Amino acid sequence: QVQLQQSGTELVKPASSVKISCKASGYTFTSNYMHWIRQQPGNGLEWIGWIYPGNGNTKYNQKFDGKATLTADKSSSTAYMQLSSLTSEDSAVYFCARVSSGYYFDYWGQGVMVTVSS
Amino acid sequence: DVVMTQTPVSLPVSLGGQASISCRSSQSLVHSNGNTYLHWYLQKPGQSPQLLIYRVSNRFSGVPDRFSGSGSGTDFTLKISRVEPEDLGDYYCLQSTHFPLTFGSGTKLEIK
Repeated sequence: QVQLQQSGTELVKPASSVKISCKASGYTFTSNYMHWIRQQPGNGLEWIGWIYPGNGNTKYNQKFDGKATLTADKSSSTAYMQLSSLTSEDSAVYFCARVSSGYYFDYWGQGVMVTVSS
Repeated sequence: DVVMTQTPVSLPVSLGGQASISCRSSQSLVHSNGNTYLHWYLQKPGQSPQLLIYRVSNRFSGVPDRFSGSGSGTDFTLKISRVEPEDLGDYYCLQSTHFPLTFGSGTKLEIK
């Protein structure tokens, strides 16, 4: 069965960076786009961008350009998102989600809570 | 960006009753290939969102037939009949026709 297992909670300092992971199993990792979504406390969902692990191509929401960097490691079937120059505004839960051929998110990771605090 | 306006914000319902959630987009969600990429998700407390309906009206695997989606163009509706306790949570619509992908602001389904 398809599973997306994300890394654990992060507590990071302002102005630093953090890299969170999303390990995929149960399907061919290189065949589906992987997307990332942010959910700030008490708020709705925002789309960050996608990566196609087959060739490493990426596309970002302009809002997150320069903030998020998406990468993927085919050998370990793991997608990564690095967030840089962190501020309190970046405190949120970050989800990875697989996209089906019908262009909807069919499977989601459990989410990673990132807290930015000094 | 396509703005997805979801109403109501909060929806009190009785168990066994019916609920209806509206999602309106600021532009047509019909893709140049003729498909409409409007989907519905439920996020239960402390969980990640789960897919209910894809491409307007298709129930995802394992989703009860109490859930139904309809609509076209810019106007879409999710209906839940015979509401059960497991249906409570936050409902979101998502459009993936246009970049950037955008979500509705959510509807909280709660017990009356």
